[in-house]
Amino acid sequence: GENVEQHPSTLSVQEGDSAVIKCTYSDSASNYFPWYKQELGKRPQLIIDIRSNVGEKKDQRIAVTLNKTAKHFSLHITETQPEDSAVYFCAASINSGYALNFGKGTSLLVTP
Amino acid sequence: DVKVTQSSRYLVKRTGEKVFLECVQDMDHENMFWYRQDPGLGLRLIYFSYDVKMKEKGDIPEGYSVSREKKERFSLILESASTNQTSMYLCASQDPVNNEQFFGPGTRLTVL
Repeated sequence: GENVEQHPSTLSVQEGDSAVIKCTYSDSASNYFPWYKQELGKRPQLIIDIRSNVGEKKDQRIAVTLNKTAKHFSLHITETQPEDSAVYFCAASINSGYALNFGKGTSLLVTP
Repeated sequence: DVKVTQSSRYLVKRTGEKVFLECVQDMDHENMFWYRQDPGLGLRLIYFSYDVKMKEKGDIPEGYSVSREKKERFSLILESASTNQTSMYLCASQDPVNNEQFFGPGTRLTVL
């Protein structure tokens, strides 16, 4: 089955810096790659996603890039703020309506 | 607004007990999912369902079963609870238009 690896497991940045989280996947048939954010004590929420026919997608301070050849995708957060502190999960699916395979998560801490 | 609710936020059970975790969504979604979340292991898929009375095993179905008698309700059953099933359990339903998964608040289950 699909295996999603996520790095790093923890990341600490200063407010205003950029943060990058990277994921790799194993199944070349995967074509849907969402990112979820989980604040402490809260439920995961979708923040951005990308499909395999697109190489990059941006939404304000967050962007996701996809390299299908290398089977990896990344989340980029620019101008980080303390409220960006959370656990971020990447996921992959062979079909956008199918079950998701999640990475193990990255705990991001943004210090003022 | 999509609403996904779970029957309990916290639950304490004894080894060997039968445990029912219920999840209800109010958006008429066909796809529903059960995950367990453990520190350092991310979100792992237990079971999912694409329609009433349909179920599919996820990555870690051992020790669990599910029931989907009505479209809005997806139940997770621990036939004989064991201490290694102490975990946070998250239910999700999926929007068929944009594939976003909406999570419930989670049930923190402790098996003594």
